Amino acid sequence: AQTVTQSQPEMSVQEAETVTLSCTYDTSESDYYLFWYKQPPSRQMILVIRQEAYKQQNATENRFSVNFQKAAKSFSLKISDSQLGDAAMYFCAYKRTSGTYKYIFGTGTRLKVLA
Amino acid sequence: EPEVTQTPSHQVTQMGQEVILRCVPISNHLYFYWYRQILGQKVEFLVSFYNNEISEKSEIFDDQFSVERPDGSNFTLKIRSTKLEDSAMYFCASRNTGPTYEQYFGPGTRLTVT
Repeated sequence: AQTVTQSQPEMSVQEAETVTLSCTYDTSESDYYLFWYKQPPSRQMILVIRQEAYKQQNATENRFSVNFQKAAKSFSLKISDSQLGDAAMYFCAYKRTSGTYKYIFGTGTRLKVLA
Repeated sequence: EPEVTQTPSHQVTQMGQEVILRCVPISNHLYFYWYRQILGQKVEFLVSFYNNEISEKSEIFDDQFSVERPDGSNFTLKIRSTKLEDSAMYFCASRNTGPTYEQYFGPGTRLTVT
């Protein structure tokens, strides 16, 4: 069975600085999808970034980028030039490429951005 | 931009009572999901639903739980006889066809069983 682990329950970053959130996962499959979702307080989870496992190139979306290490089964999220609006709970998620495409989530990392 | 909505935002119920959590998925989506998150724990998959039937369910989704799409727009999760351990945040999600499509989540319903 697949598992996702986020070892940092909480992280803090100074506004305009860079922070990296960690995620590791376990799977025996060679093809899958990985996601980072952001959940602001009392709001729905929204997709931050997606990585297809067959792609070697790390995904980037504006200030958000990932470091995808397939052999190490690691998928970290880097947020550059942190803004107050980045404060949220961040979830790492795994999805197979077959079946019902359900997500397997980590426990989340709460990110605080300090002014 | 279309959003998944959920009602109520917070539901308090007594142990043994039935609750229905409601979700309105994005209108052209065909796949629907329920997840739950007990405070401080992982977001866990409960059930997936497609073409008016359950396509997968987890061990958590026992006979107490049921899902329904009663009218082509709502997607409901019913818990027949709530237990204290059902207290959690329940998230609904929907997605379009195809493996590359991500799921869109609702804001969640916080269920408190007393």
